[in-house]
Amino acid sequence: AQSVTQLDSHVSVSEGTPVLLRCNYSSSYSPSLFWYVQHPNKGLQLLLKYTSAATLVKGINGFEAEFKKSETSFHLTKPSAHMSDAAEYFCVVKGEPGGYNKLIFGAGTRLAVHP
Amino acid sequence: EAGVAQSPRYKIIEKRQSVAFWCNPISGHATLYWYQQILGQGPKLLIQFQNNGVVDDSQLPKDRFSAERLKGVDSTLKIQPAKLEDSAVYLCASSSMGTLQEQYFGPGTRLTVT
Repeated sequence: AQSVTQLDSHVSVSEGTPVLLRCNYSSSYSPSLFWYVQHPNKGLQLLLKYTSAATLVKGINGFEAEFKKSETSFHLTKPSAHMSDAAEYFCVVKGEPGGYNKLIFGAGTRLAVHP
Repeated sequence: EAGVAQSPRYKIIEKRQSVAFWCNPISGHATLYWYQQILGQGPKLLIQFQNNGVVDDSQLPKDRFSAERLKGVDSTLKIQPAKLEDSAVYLCASSSMGTLQEQYFGPGTRLTVT
């Protein structure tokens, strides 16, 4: 079965410093992986997705993630945090290949950005 | 382009009462999803529709939860009777048909059961 584990429930950084949100996945297949962001009182928004093309994936707002099969990881990074990045971030794996578009979410990492 | 609409945004009910949530997906999206997000957890898929038909309801507690999608557009999710553990945010999402299509999420309905 597909699953993801987000290794940190809370991450706190200062504005202008790098962001690292960690995610490990478990999959019986070659996975499709995503990062979603959830701002307070707003809907979930797709940041980026990996679908077996380039292992370094660039997303919106300066975020990127690297797929590492040997480490079963898909960590999210950003070189310089902005106050507006404060939100909840979810690592997501697609259910079994083919079939329907089922997403399996991790528990989330809350990112706090301090001035 | 209008996004996914949900109503109400907030609902407070007592246990054993019933409640219904409404979702209007993005125009033209054939696939509609209902997720349950309990505080401190990631969203969990409850049910997925493709046009009028249900394609996955494996995690829907069918003894108390029901959902329908009228004419392949709007959808309602109902809980009857509600339990305390149903307190959560209920998210609706929609996408074009096909695998790996981006899912667009609505703002959610926050349900509190007292």
